[in-house]
Amino acid sequence: EVQLVESGGGLVQPGGSLRLSCAASGFTFSSYAMHWVRQAPGKGLEYVSAISSNGGSTYYANSVKGRFTISRDNSKNTLYLQMGSLRAEDMAVYYCARVLQGAAAYDYWGQGTLVTVSS
Amino acid sequence: AIQLTQSPSSLSASVGDRVTITCRASQGISSALAWYQQKPGKAPKLLIYDASSLESGVPSRFSGSGSGTDFTLTISSLQPEDFATYYCQQFNNYPLTFGGGTKVEIK
Repeated sequence: EVQLVESGGGLVQPGGSLRLSCAASGFTFSSYAMHWVRQAPGKGLEYVSAISSNGGSTYYANSVKGRFTISRDNSKNTLYLQMGSLRAEDMAVYYCARVLQGAAAYDYWGQGTLVTVSS
Repeated sequence: AIQLTQSPSSLSASVGDRVTITCRASQGISSALAWYQQKPGKAPKLLIYDASSLESGVPSRFSGSGSGTDFTLTISSLQPEDFATYYCQQFNNYPLTFGGGTKVEIK
């Protein structure tokens, strides 16, 4: 069974940093591109960042470029999102998602982890 | 970035109704479009990928169509468990983008 489990969310002050993790199981993690998607309270979905299966290519939303870094450790079956210079508008539930191979979609999502940015 | 405009933003419908949601892209995206269903407090669930392919396990009352800039999600006969928010997403160009969502409520 495919499982994606996020962790690392919590309360952080504006300007602070946080690292999210997404532990994957039930599939060959190193064969799949992985993405982060977020959802602010009461709002819609927003793409955040993407990484290729081998980690060689990364992409970011303009809103987080230069502040967030996506990475992965295929030996640990884990995806990461290092977030820095956090702002109030970064407050959201952060989901990791697996990209359906050869298709345009996310076929599995984690349960999400809440990041609260407040002083 | 490619803008995705969903309409309507909300709708009220009854069980058994046929429901159609549209998603318009600001530029052509071929068939690189997905549809998701999200219920409160839950992660989104994939319904349709590549604009018209039904994800495994998703009921056949859901269907997707379109290519280029205009896309449609249709629920042929609305069921009680279908009341939720629906999102489209384009995969043609980075940064990927989502539509604003369509909330389907009970009439």
